[in-house]
Amino acid sequence: SQQGEEDPQALSIQEGENATMNCSYKTSINNLQWYRQNSGRGLVHLILIRSNEREKHSGRLRVTLDTSKKSSSLLITASRAADTASYFCATAAYGNNRLAFGKGNQVVVIP
Amino acid sequence: SAVISQKPSRDICQRGTSLTIQCQVDSQVTMMFWYRQQPGQSLTLIATANQGSEATYESGFVIDKFPISRPNLTFSTLTVSNMSPEDSSIYLCSALARENIQYFGAGTRLSVL
Repeated sequence: SQQGEEDPQALSIQEGENATMNCSYKTSINNLQWYRQNSGRGLVHLILIRSNEREKHSGRLRVTLDTSKKSSSLLITASRAADTASYFCATAAYGNNRLAFGKGNQVVVIP
Repeated sequence: SAVISQKPSRDICQRGTSLTIQCQVDSQVTMMFWYRQQPGQSLTLIATANQGSEATYESGFVIDKFPISRPNLTFSTLTVSNMSPEDSSIYLCSALARENIQYFGAGTRLSVL
């Protein structure tokens, strides 16, 4: 199965700043999703972008998708301490209900 | 959306024993999944729990080690058998919603001594 792969950097930012993280994948996808995980707990779905979409917004989240480069980015604007978490991208192939998760990005927002 | 209740939330087990993790969904779902997340790592899919048939296991995971039950459309269990310290991980269940979106339980943090 394909793998989403984030840049493995850990981000440490001040509250109010923007946080950007990236994800790359290897094969064709139906959609790409971003999930958040707080302190080793369950994952929470944040946003889904379809392969025919280039950009999507949800509240303070902005996701871009470049299928020619097989990459995506997640931007969190005006970060808050509560945004401290690990963020994972996950890809879904056509006709496949399974998700392939990337390595994850640890984001720490300092109050 | 779906609400997933997973238990136990954590356990400490002795080597050689088995632990069964339960996952309850508040609505009927066609597909449920079990993942393992080793410390500091991403999620690895163990298997897809199919209602009324045997689970579909991913490469590297076998039924003897990780037997799965799916007796109905709202419930599934994963057993971690004959545990060793290498099985210490977070185990997560999820339920498939629309457009491949999955809703996750809170996870079971397992430590094997």
